[in-house]
Parts: sequence; C-alpha cells; structure tokens
Amino acid sequence: GDSVTQMEGPVTLSEEAFLTINCTYTATGYPSLFWYVQYPGEGLQLLLKATKADDKGSNKGFEATYRKETTSFHLEKGSVQVSDSAVYFCALRTGTASKLTFGTGTRLQVTL
Amino acid sequence: EAGVAQSPRYKIIEKRQSVAFWCNPISGHATLYWYQQILGQGPKLLIQFQNNGVVDDSQLPKDRFSAERLKGVDSTLKIQPAKLEDSAVYLCASRGDFWTTYEQYFGPGTRLTVT
Repeated sequence: GDSVTQMEGPVTLSEEAFLTINCTYTATGYPSLFWYVQYPGEGLQLLLKATKADDKGSNKGFEATYRKETTSFHLEKGSVQVSDSAVYFCALRTGTASKLTFGTGTRLQVTL
Repeated sequence: EAGVAQSPRYKIIEKRQSVAFWCNPISGHATLYWYQQILGQGPKLLIQFQNNGVVDDSQLPKDRFSAERLKGVDSTLKIQPAKLEDSAVYLCASRGDFWTTYEQYFGPGTRLTVT
C-alpha cells in the first residue's frame, strides 16, 4: 500500500539557517505530493503541493520538487525564522477523491 | 470564508465512557473526512463522506466508533465505549468540488484524553 517516510525530528536550527526535511514515498500509480504544517494548537495547513514529476511546489519561502526517479519530495527553505517552528507532514494522494496518506511528521524548532 | 469548525477542542473521559465530536465543514464542501492523529504519528483516515454517503470507512473500528453526516453538512463522530488507546487528536477536514479545488482543509481538531 501507499506509505510516506519522513526524517525523524526534532530538527533544531538557528534563525537564518538552511532547512531540509527529507521525505520519500511508496505509491501505486502517480500520486500528488503535499507538505502540510501544523502550528502549536492549530489544525493542519497546506503548505505546498506538486501534482506531477519535476513539478516544484513553493510557498512562504519553502520549496519542494517532485522527484519520481528517487521517489522523493524533500522540503527546503533557505533561511528559517522562529515563526517557522512547527510540525511538518509530508503526504501523498493517489486519485483526486481519495484519502491523504501522511508521514509521521517532523518537528522543527528554530531558535534565535 | 469561514474554516472548518470543530467542537469541543478538548475532552477528558474515563475508559468505557462515551464521547461525541462535532464538525461543521466549509460551506458548500461536499466531501468530509475524519482523521485520527495519535501522538507522534501522522493523521490516519477513519471515514470519508461524500454528501451524506460513506465513501471509505475501511479503517474505522466499527465495534466502537460510529459517524454520521445527516443532511450532508455537519458530521458527528462517536466513540462508545472508549479505550485508553483512543487518546488522540481527532481532525475533521473538508474538500471542495471537482471544479474548484481538490485540497483538504482541516479544522483545529479535538484532543481526546482517555484515563
């Protein structure tokens, strides 16, 4: 079945450091890929998405590229801020109406 | 546009008691999802509705969990009787129709603690 594997956290970075959170997937067919973010006490928010191979999703300075050859969708940001501290979830969906399959989440903590 | 609303935000019950959670999706969203998020894990789909019909409930523990979506709008998820392992955050999400967006919008969740 479908699955998503994320790097374990927590990831602790200083402000303005470069961020990479690794995500790899296993899926039948051609999934759409997503990154969701969960701030403390809040629900999941869609951060970015990519629907086909080589697509790059981007939002709020975050980027991720859909790499079919390596089945990966790594999240990157060039300069993190304290306000980026949250839990980040990689997810996939096969088919427009089907469920999301999530990874276990990676907690990011950014310090001054 | 108002987001997905859920209540209560927090609930503490003893094992073998019953509990119910409520979700009001974004207006006009036909598809509604309930997910269970256990601490340290990603959300797992429990049930998916399309209007008031069930599309997928393959991971819903039907011996103790039930859900309904009367009139195709609000939804209620019930647990009866609760077990310790039901302690989790229960997330509701809704999705727009084919012509607008496929993306799921999540509510803030209900954190359930079973003691």
